[in-house]
This record gives sequence, C-alpha cells and structure tokens, in this order.
Amino acid sequence: QKEVEQNSGPLSVPEGAIASLNCTYSDRVSQSFFWYRQYSGKSPELIMSIYSNGDKEDGRFTAQLNKASQYVSLLIRDSQPSDSATYLCAVSGGKSTFGDGTTLTVKP
Amino acid sequence: DAMVIQNPRYQVTQFGKPVTLSCSQTLNHNVMYWYQQKSSQAPKLLFHYYDKDFNNEADTPDNFQSRRPNTSFCFLDIRSPGLGDAAMYLCATSREGTSSYEQYFGPGTRLTVT
Repeated sequence: QKEVEQNSGPLSVPEGAIASLNCTYSDRVSQSFFWYRQYSGKSPELIMSIYSNGDKEDGRFTAQLNKASQYVSLLIRDSQPSDSATYLCAVSGGKSTFGDGTTLTVKP
Repeated sequence: DAMVIQNPRYQVTQFGKPVTLSCSQTLNHNVMYWYQQKSSQAPKLLFHYYDKDFNNEADTPDNFQSRRPNTSFCFLDIRSPGLGDAAMYLCATSREGTSSYEQYFGPGTRLTVT
C-alpha cells in the first residue's frame, strides 16, 4: 500500500462544475496536508494547506481533512479551463510524501 | 520577490558525463530538498538538508550527491548519468520551526541524457 494514494484519473469536468479530488494516507501521525497544482512541464505550486479537521476555504478552493478516516480532499468550485492540471496531494510529519497526482481536465 | 531559482532550466549531458545542477533561494528557508520527477509520477525525494545536516533517502543511488555550501545555495551532482536519470529535477525549500513544512519549488531543471 502506498503511503499517499489519490483517486485515479484522469478526471474531466465541464466548465463551471465542481471538481472533487481525493487523497488517503497511511501514517496516522501526519500533521500537515497540502495540495499542489502542477501544470504540464512546470513545477508544483502550493495552493492549499490544512492542519486541523474540517474545511478550509480559499476562493474557489476548499480543502477538507478528516484525520480519523485519514482522508483529505480538494474541491474546486466553478471550475475553469485554467484549472486543468495535475493535482498532487502531499502529507507531512516532517518531510512531505507525495501522491502520484490526479490529472484534471476542465472542458469549456 | 523571494523565490527559488534553478539553473540551468534545461541540461543535456552525455551518458556517463558528470553534471551539476544548482539551486538558490532568497526565502531564507533552512530546509532544502532535491526531488526527481519522471513523467506522470510523483516527485521522488532524493535528499534534503536541515540547515547543514544532510539527509539521504535510503533508495537514492550513490550516483547522486549533493552539496550545500551556505543557506542560499544547494547543488545536485550526478556523477555518471545513465539514460534512466533523464527526468525533471526539482529543488524546494521550507522553513523549520513552523508546523507546516510548506514547500516552495523552483522551476525545475529538465535533464536529458544522450
């Protein structure tokens, strides 16, 4: 079992829809959780951090964390074609472990 | 603007010819990381520095070495590149002392081995 698993993609949604990206992790002592966006051929860019159970909202992005279920998700509301990218989930108890990513395509 | 800079952005080397990739940062972060990322895969941590303390991942090949002469700079040396070492190499930084370990990435160096 991988330490960080993301829902297999690719994920395709129409413009304006909600995109839901999911991630589970195996290390219960993990303290910090991150979502990175990576455009093709570019480096990862941090878009959300979450540290406590519940929801954290930033613009069109909402991160959700459930430590009991070892689950973290990212919702993108009103998806735009510019959101088309690979989204990496990272889990940290010190250094970060990355999932393989989910590729999202938003179709106009 | 504070940032992480990697040079060169693209590097072509011959099989077996040593190559050095560089990373510099103006964020004054004390932790620096080197990752290898191949197509459609997660970034794979090669090593990281916690201040001057070097931490090597158990599965990082001996062919890969690193140096951090000061807080701002870090280098990745590949002593004898093989075809399998062709990848994007990512440098990242974070600040210890917070609970977050948010990482900030440079633009990456795309390495081609011929």
